[in-house]
Parts: sequence; structure tokens; C-alpha cells
Amino acid sequence: NAGVTQTPKFQVLKTGQSMTLQCAQDMNHEYMSWYRQDPGMGLRLIHYSVGAGITDQGEVPNGYNVSRSTTEDFPLRLLSAAPSQTSVYFCASSYSGLAGVLSYEQYFGPGTRLTVT
Amino acid sequence: AQTVTQSQPEMSVQEAETVTLSCTYDTSESDYYLFWYKQPPSRQMILVIRQEAYKQQNATENRFSVNFQKAAKSFSLKISDSQLGDAAMYFCAYRNYGGATNKLIFGTGTLLAIQP
Repeated sequence: NAGVTQTPKFQVLKTGQSMTLQCAQDMNHEYMSWYRQDPGMGLRLIHYSVGAGITDQGEVPNGYNVSRSTTEDFPLRLLSAAPSQTSVYFCASSYSGLAGVLSYEQYFGPGTRLTVT
Repeated sequence: AQTVTQSQPEMSVQEAETVTLSCTYDTSESDYYLFWYKQPPSRQMILVIRQEAYKQQNATENRFSVNFQKAAKSFSLKISDSQLGDAAMYFCAYRNYGGATNKLIFGTGTLLAIQP
């Protein structure tokens, strides 16, 4: 298994540009999420999805859109990039075990470093 | 709302010695998980150890152990026989038990340096 993959690894955008950060997992995990990591602030949850077709907001959703059309993919869209969105972005996934209980274990991707100038 | 606090932005330890990283948290829940994650320069998030709040016994994983004080809402990580590969940013994290989301609440991290 490749686990959780993210592309690109690095990206530089100009203010106002749009782009999509890709996240894919090949472990058939129902749950996927996006975090951003800023210096001195740890990781914060942006959006999450409990399965295909179902998404919800996390702690810092403004400026980001998500959709989940397949179990494998969970892209994060920046419609109009702002310097405040300069950050490292992590995608993570989890599986549901017995009786559909969500596992505590999260598998993180390698991250995407985004710079908005 | 739950919060996680790491009051040591940076720490340094000699190779082969023991170091303890501190973490405190705040929650009104009685059942939850606590984690320590390691983030080396590669940026990869690596789960080091976890603790279920309903377990009184402190978790251990080889050279890593925790001191979980539920009443004090304290969750420290002890690294014994420190090795150069332990150098990394360490994050303490909290998760509610059960539920439909896997939301982790992270502290701000402690950057650990290992002196040879």
C-alpha cells in the first residue's frame, strides 16, 4: 500500500490564484481529513469527511472547499489564495473497525508546503 | 472546548540521557485519548504513544513512556536513553472518545534537540 499520498509537495501561488491540493489513500478508509500547520500553532482541522459524499467543517474552514466523490480521494480547494493561507497542509485518514467504531489511529500524508505571495 | 498546552517550546538533552516533555490539557469529558506525535525534519507525523483516559496504567512503548495524571490533566512524555534519531518536534494531542469524527486537538509542540 502507498498509504496516504499528497501532491504537490511544494507550491507557490500568487494572491488570488486558485488551486487544488490532492490527497489520496489506498487503504479503503472511510474517514479523511485536512489539517494545516502553522509555526507556533500546532495542527488545526480544516475539513473532514466520514465517507463518500459527506463532508463537514472543522476548526478553520474559511477559504477552503472540499468534496468527496470517491472513498480514495479528498481534494482541498483554495478558490482565491491569500497570504494567510501560507502553511503546511496535511491530509489524514482513518478506518472504522468493529461495529463501525472509528479507529483512533490516523494515517498522515507527507504534507504540502504552500506559500502564497 | 478542549485545549492542549505545551509550555516548553524547545528542549535539549545529551545523547543517552533521559528527557521529559510536558503537556497539560483541559476537557470536561471523562473518556478521551491522548497522544504524542513525533515530527522529524521530513515533516512526517509519526504516532509515538497513546493513552486511553479510562486506563490507569501509564502507556509505554520501548524507550518512550508517559506519566498520565488524569485529575491534574497532565500528560508528560519521558524518553529514556535518548538517541540522535529522537531529535524532532513533538506534539501532544487530544481526541474525544468515540463519536463520528477523528478530530485531534494539538498543542503547539516542543522542539527536542539531542546533543552528541
